[in-house]
Amino acid sequence: DAGVIQSPRHEVTEMGQEVTLRCKPISGHNSLFWYRQTMMRGLELLIYFNNNVPIDDSGMPEDRFSAKMPNASFSTLKIQPSEPRDSAVYFCASRRDTNQPQHFGDGTRLSIL
Amino acid sequence: GDSVTQMEGPVTLSEEAFLTINCTYTATGYPSLFWYVQYPGEGLQLLLKATKADDKGSNKGFEATYRKETTSFHLEKGSVQVSDSAVYFCAQYYNTDKLIFGTGTRLQVFP
Repeated sequence: DAGVIQSPRHEVTEMGQEVTLRCKPISGHNSLFWYRQTMMRGLELLIYFNNNVPIDDSGMPEDRFSAKMPNASFSTLKIQPSEPRDSAVYFCASRRDTNQPQHFGDGTRLSIL
Repeated sequence: GDSVTQMEGPVTLSEEAFLTINCTYTATGYPSLFWYVQYPGEGLQLLLKATKADDKGSNKGFEATYRKETTSFHLEKGSVQVSDSAVYFCAQYYNTDKLIFGTGTRLQVFP
């Protein structure tokens, strides 16, 4: 089975630009999670969706961040405008059902110059 | 609130040494418990899990036992290899959609 697929794997862009990260969850999984990982703050949950509906976005750092899940097989995390402090590795994860383990993608390493 | 506490790393061992990484949790009920492993440049992978007290999760020579009396889920391996070098995360959830992660423990194994 294909795992969670994220793109791009690496993104380098200049401050102020719009950044879009993409995720394809595992087929049949009902929940999707976006995380950010940095050395300073560790692994942080940004937002998650159940059945394509955003349930909790309390981890989204500010209004510059937005996430969508237009259908069961695709989600985006957008940062506009981007800032150097947004540099991190962003992970997407999906899960089949409540209390089941989450399966992670390989992440997008984002660098904002 | 619910939380997970892991021992700070790095843990540095020689090949074939015995490994223990401590993990304790606080929870209002009886959570499901997980260990994830993150190899350099990769995402987190589920290593093992346990869903009720006294359950033992095991995979790839790693084991962890769900101890309700000590609220612990310590990770152990009898003989580590260089290829086990990674960051290990303990996690829990109970009746919630969110996985609560520990801060991670880096393991370095030298030949």
